[in-house]
Amino acid sequence: KAGVTQTPRYLIKTRGQQVTLSCSPISGHRSVSWYQQTPGQGLQFLFEYFSETQRNKGNFPGRFSGRQFSNSRSEMNVSTLELGDSALYLCASSPGTELYEQYFGPGTRLTVT
Amino acid sequence: GQNIDQPTEMTATEGAIVQINCTYQTSGFNGLFWYQQHAGEAPTFLSYNVLDGLEGKGRFSSFLSRSKGYSYLLLKELQMKDSASYLCAVPREANNLFFGTGTRLTVIP
Repeated sequence: KAGVTQTPRYLIKTRGQQVTLSCSPISGHRSVSWYQQTPGQGLQFLFEYFSETQRNKGNFPGRFSGRQFSNSRSEMNVSTLELGDSALYLCASSPGTELYEQYFGPGTRLTVT
Repeated sequence: GQNIDQPTEMTATEGAIVQINCTYQTSGFNGLFWYQQHAGEAPTFLSYNVLDGLEGKGRFSSFLSRSKGYSYLLLKELQMKDSASYLCAVPREANNLFFGTGTRLTVIP
């Protein structure tokens, strides 16, 4: 069974631009969660999608948004990029809504200059 | 709210045993996860404890005390490849984990 895939793996953007990151979960998994990882703050939850609906949202500004498609693939978008958005963005997939281990993708390393 | 405390860094010798501690505060306890993350890689699941006691097979095991808000990850027969960050996490809701900042373990020969 293929793991979680994320594209692109690396991205360099300029302040003020917007970016879209993609995540394909493990086949059969319907939940996709997004996390931001920085050296200072560690792993922080952004949001979770299940069956194309956002179920949970972390404490991030509205510039961070996401969506999920009918095939469970998910995208997250960050608009008006700031230097502080430089981070590793990880997505994690899980079978459903029960407490279960999450399987993380390799992440997208975003650098904002 | 949630709060997790872990030591920032630890060093241990190859072949030894190391215990990585995690203390947590959370409303509505729903278990505790441990993840391993090698530098530049994705976190990988190690364990999930929901009941008190020590669980695990092989070289890695994890302990939980709900009354003390305390867990630890026990790594035996350390190998160089165990050098990684170890992340303690508690769920806020399903698929929404609150992570500690992690413990970076360095295994030396």
